[in-house]
Amino acid sequence: GESVGLHLPTLSVQEGDNSIINCAYSNSASDYFIWYKQESGKGPQFIIDIRSNMDKRQGQRVTVLLNKTVKHLSLQIAATQPGDSAVYFCAENSPPGGTYKYIFGTGTRLKVLA
Amino acid sequence: SQTIHQWPATLVQPVGSPLSLECTVEGTSNPNLYWYRQAAGRGLQLLFYSVGIGQISSEVPQNLSASRPQDRQFILSSKKLLLSDSSFYLCAWSTGLAGDNEQFFGPGTRLTVL
Repeated sequence: GESVGLHLPTLSVQEGDNSIINCAYSNSASDYFIWYKQESGKGPQFIIDIRSNMDKRQGQRVTVLLNKTVKHLSLQIAATQPGDSAVYFCAENSPPGGTYKYIFGTGTRLKVLA
Repeated sequence: SQTIHQWPATLVQPVGSPLSLECTVEGTSNPNLYWYRQAAGRGLQLLFYSVGIGQISSEVPQNLSASRPQDRQFILSSKKLLLSDSSFYLCAWSTGLAGDNEQFFGPGTRLTVL
């Protein structure tokens, strides 16, 4: 559901290790999901998306996994780098397609340790 | 390619003063437009969305209003700002076309009400 009024959890990862950021979504009818990266003072940046007819999608150093049974989404970042430090949000979009409301997860702050 | 602009980037306003934040999108027609608010260290709260000129849907009752005077222009306003209006305001757009769900954010406006 809406992430209003919730403080962000933090994930600390050693540089070079893999990161896994999790998100539980609210609507079983949601058919499209996005992961965003937000650096301090900037707008969220689109990272990767996945549709509900897929379980896994890979990008450059990132993989998104979707488990519709438990309404769970994860973002895996391989070989985490200092530049990956940011807040990561998942967002879900429900039919009808292309409209209108995107529900954002709580957000997770990723800290990469040197 | 499409781009989204917001201005001003930062704004400091006294309590009780009016507000006008502007968002414009280039490179697309008839986009869905959104205003979000994000408190420091917290998630995104959807304030308004618009599917066309003059069409505004409000998500949360509050001291703010939105208008869409032109196809690619979205304005967030207030007649009298409150201290609680201090936040980071984000504009976003999507195509609104079925099957094309990606949503993209602007750089944001940091508003401080004193």
